[in-house]
Amino acid sequence: EIVLTQSPGTLSLSPGERATLSCRASQSVSSSYLAWYQQKLGQAPRLLIYGASSRATGIPDRFSGSGSGTDFTLTISRLEPEDFAVYYCQQYGSSPWAFGQGTKVEIK
Amino acid sequence: EVQLVEFGGGLVQPGRSLRLSCAASGFTFDDYAMHWVRQAPGKGLEWVSSISWSSGSIGYADSVKGRFTISRDNAKNSLYLQMNSLRAEDTAFYYCAKDLRSSTPMGMDVWGQGTTVTVSS
Repeated sequence: EIVLTQSPGTLSLSPGERATLSCRASQSVSSSYLAWYQQKLGQAPRLLIYGASSRATGIPDRFSGSGSGTDFTLTISRLEPEDFAVYYCQQYGSSPWAFGQGTKVEIK
Repeated sequence: EVQLVEFGGGLVQPGRSLRLSCAASGFTFDDYAMHWVRQAPGKGLEWVSSISWSSGSIGYADSVKGRFTISRDNAKNSLYLQMNSLRAEDTAFYYCAKDLRSSTPMGMDVWGQGTTVTVSS
């Protein structure tokens, strides 16, 4: 079973700053089957990135994903006010399709 | 409009059963794998179960294996989750989600608004 560990737990940044979120897997995630989601309070999650680096439909290009194997990164190049939320990674390389525990991006 | 609507949640006693349903519209339902994901109050997301377009590939989280059964009726554009032997730790908001692909999952690109399941005596 692959366990995903996200860091940091909370990221305190100001609008306009760059956010770098990490997702580390306990085993290699095959074929980069890794996705990133954004969840705002009281809302359903939204798919941001799939296949480690492909942006989902309608996702602004300030969001980018990278990585392979066991280390993956979600980068938000310049934080907009609507980007403050919780972010989750999820792997699909090996069942069970576990989520990471989440990283909260909060306004500093 | 692409839409998923869950229903069937509610308050249930420990050990009892509940069946969740998810009605899909706005897309070709039998072209895509589907998932159930839950979120306990104040906690993170937990993958529960997935089913491929044909029901030929099904998976469960260890926490629900043997108690929950996922199924789909492509003729009715509907996804189901039969939950038996419910426990207090199954209390959560349950989301239905559509995958980008038909079989091997790649990402959940459409989500319902969820339904609440509370297991308590």
